[in-house]
Amino acid sequence: NAGVTQTPKFRVLKTGQSMTLLCAQDMNHEYMYWYRQDPGMGLRLIHYSVGEGTTAKGEVPDGYNVSRLKKQNFLLGLESAAPSQTSVYFCASSYTGTEDFEQYFGPGTRLTVT
Amino acid sequence: QQQVKQSPQSLIVQKGGISIINCAYENTAFDYFPWYQQFPGKGPALLIAIRPDVSEKKEGRFTISFNKSAKQFSLHIMDSQPGDSATYFCAARDQGGSEKLVFGKGTKLTVNP
Repeated sequence: NAGVTQTPKFRVLKTGQSMTLLCAQDMNHEYMYWYRQDPGMGLRLIHYSVGEGTTAKGEVPDGYNVSRLKKQNFLLGLESAAPSQTSVYFCASSYTGTEDFEQYFGPGTRLTVT
Repeated sequence: QQQVKQSPQSLIVQKGGISIINCAYENTAFDYFPWYQQFPGKGPALLIAIRPDVSEKKEGRFTISFNKSAKQFSLHIMDSQPGDSATYFCAARDQGGSEKLVFGKGTKLTVNP
C-alpha cells in the first residue's frame, strides 16, 4: 500500500496562475483533508471531505477550492495564486467509527508563489 | 482564536534527558487528544493519543499526562535520544462527528548528543 500520495512534490507559480494539487489514498478512507503548514503556525485545515461528492470548509478556505469526485482522490485548486499561498500543503485521510482515530498524512507539496 | 495552545515553541534537551511539551485547550467538546511527530521533509505521523477519561497513557519512552479539570495535557519523552529530534504537534478532535483535528502550533525539539 502506498498510503497517501501527493502530486506534485514541488511547484513554483507566478502570482495569478492557477494549479491543482492531487491527493490520492489507497486505504479506502471516507474522510480526507487538506492542510497548510506555515512556520510558527502549525497545521491549519483548508477544506475537508466526509465522503465522495461532499466537501466542507475548514479554518482557512479563502482562495482555495476542492473536489472529491472519487473516494480515493481529493483535489485542491488555486484559481489565482497569491504570494500569501506560499506554503507546504499536506493531505490526510482517515477512517471513521473506530476507537483509535488516526489521520494519515501524505509527504507534502511545497508551493512557492512569486 | 487559537483553540489549542502549545508550548514551548522550541526545546533543546541533552541526550538522556526528559523532554516535556505542554498543551492547553478551552473547548470542552474535544474528545480525543493525539500527538503527532514530524521529521523534516515528511508529513506528520501519529505518535500517541489519549481520551479524556484516562489521566495517563504510556507507550515506551513516550507518556501523555491529561488533566481534564485544568484542560491541559502534556507529552513527556523519557531518555530523549537524538533520533527524537523533530517537530511535535498536539491536537484535539471535536466530537461533532466530522473527525476534524485542531492542531497546536508545534514544538521543535532538538536532542543534543
